[in-house]
Amino acid sequence: RKEVEQDPGPFNVPEGATVAFNCTYSNSASQSFFWYRQDCRKEPKLLMSVYSSGNEDGRFTAQLNRASQYISLLIRDSKLSDSATYLCVVRTPSGGSYIPTFGRGTSLIVHP
Amino acid sequence: EAQVTQNPRYLITVTGKKLTVTCSQNMNHEYMSWYRQDPGLGLRQIYYSMNVEVTDKGDVPEGYKVSRKEKRNFPLILESPSPNQTSLYFCASSPLNTAQHFGDGTRLSIL
Repeated sequence: RKEVEQDPGPFNVPEGATVAFNCTYSNSASQSFFWYRQDCRKEPKLLMSVYSSGNEDGRFTAQLNRASQYISLLIRDSKLSDSATYLCVVRTPSGGSYIPTFGRGTSLIVHP
Repeated sequence: EAQVTQNPRYLITVTGKKLTVTCSQNMNHEYMSWYRQDPGLGLRQIYYSMNVEVTDKGDVPEGYKVSRKEKRNFPLILESPSPNQTSLYFCASSPLNTAQHFGDGTRLSIL
């Protein structure tokens, strides 16, 4: 079983739609969680960190469910510019550091 | 401006010719790492470093070397590149347990 799993999609949605992605992780010791956005062949960019209480940044809401070991990302009022691949990242303690593990990403296509 | 700088951005070379991809960060981060990204496989960690003179293997270290002589620099060395190392490479840095900052990437083609 892969450590961090995401549905690769693509999720094909119209402008204005609400879309949600989930990401499951296998190691219960994981401590920090992030969502990144990656445009085609460019560097991943941090979208938001994910906190236990859930957090919101404009149209984006992230949630963490430690009991079920998943994180989620909700995008409201989708824009064409939201089209990208969304990567979840989990950092897990190991040997004095926190090793990041990436999911393979979920592709989102927002169409007019 | 806080940044991670990789060089070169693009490189086409031949099998067996040693090359180095440099990575430098100006944020005084402890953790630095190298990834390769291939279609369908996502980002895979090659090597990482928790601090100066401390490096460790990631998921796909074969064929690569790294060094961390200074906190800001973390070069990736391919002693004898082979075509299966053709890929998109990213360097990243962060404090030990927070979000990573990525460089712009290096597209490497080995013929």
